[in-house]
Amino acid sequence: QQQVKQSPQSLIVQKGGISIINCAYENTAFDYFPWYQQFPGKGPALLIAIRPDVSEKKEGRFTISFNKSAKQFSLHIMDSQPGDSATYFCAARYSGNTPLVFGKGTRLSVIA
Amino acid sequence: GAVVSQHPSWVICKSGTSVKIECRSLDFQATTMFWYRQFPKQSLMLMATSNEGSKATYEQGVEKDKFLINHASLTLSTLTVTSAHPEDSSFYICSASNRGGTYEQYFGPGTRLTVT
Repeated sequence: QQQVKQSPQSLIVQKGGISIINCAYENTAFDYFPWYQQFPGKGPALLIAIRPDVSEKKEGRFTISFNKSAKQFSLHIMDSQPGDSATYFCAARYSGNTPLVFGKGTRLSVIA
Repeated sequence: GAVVSQHPSWVICKSGTSVKIECRSLDFQATTMFWYRQFPKQSLMLMATSNEGSKATYEQGVEKDKFLINHASLTLSTLTVTSAHPEDSSFYICSASNRGGTYEQYFGPGTRLTVT
């Protein structure tokens, strides 16, 4: 059973456009929802994260929208740039020092 | 801050040999380190959770005798792949969780293992 479902699998966006990646989770006990960016051959890097008591969080061009009742959260990348081309993973975690459960990833390509 | 290193960054070994991968938290103390494996174009799959000074907890389907994990200090965890086979070829990534209460996980750069 996949606990975190991510879509789309791949995404092509024009430079300057908005990239939107969606995730849905099953377990309401999750209380931390991060997004990671991974370039080929590199480890994931934390982009932005949110807790379920907040509906939206913005950091620069990156925004997380969180819908607790629908058990969904999404990443919006504003003014997408070719340098944003990477694989993005959503994840979820229980409270405390627990491991992350990852979505399957979205390969984003930003074209000029 | 919050830098995690891995060594080596890549390794090629012959089938049947053992390989050790180190994961270090360089500027913080990590009570817990996690080991993940990632196959090409796939997501990260948790292999085990490693707590300093105690035995690692392995995920279902991960052979603890094949993937030996040692977490000897608050800044170092090692993963040893014993008697490696070609199907063990993968990208191994560790993450370290800070001690300070937020439990943020910081990932290492990964180790590419190729078994010939």
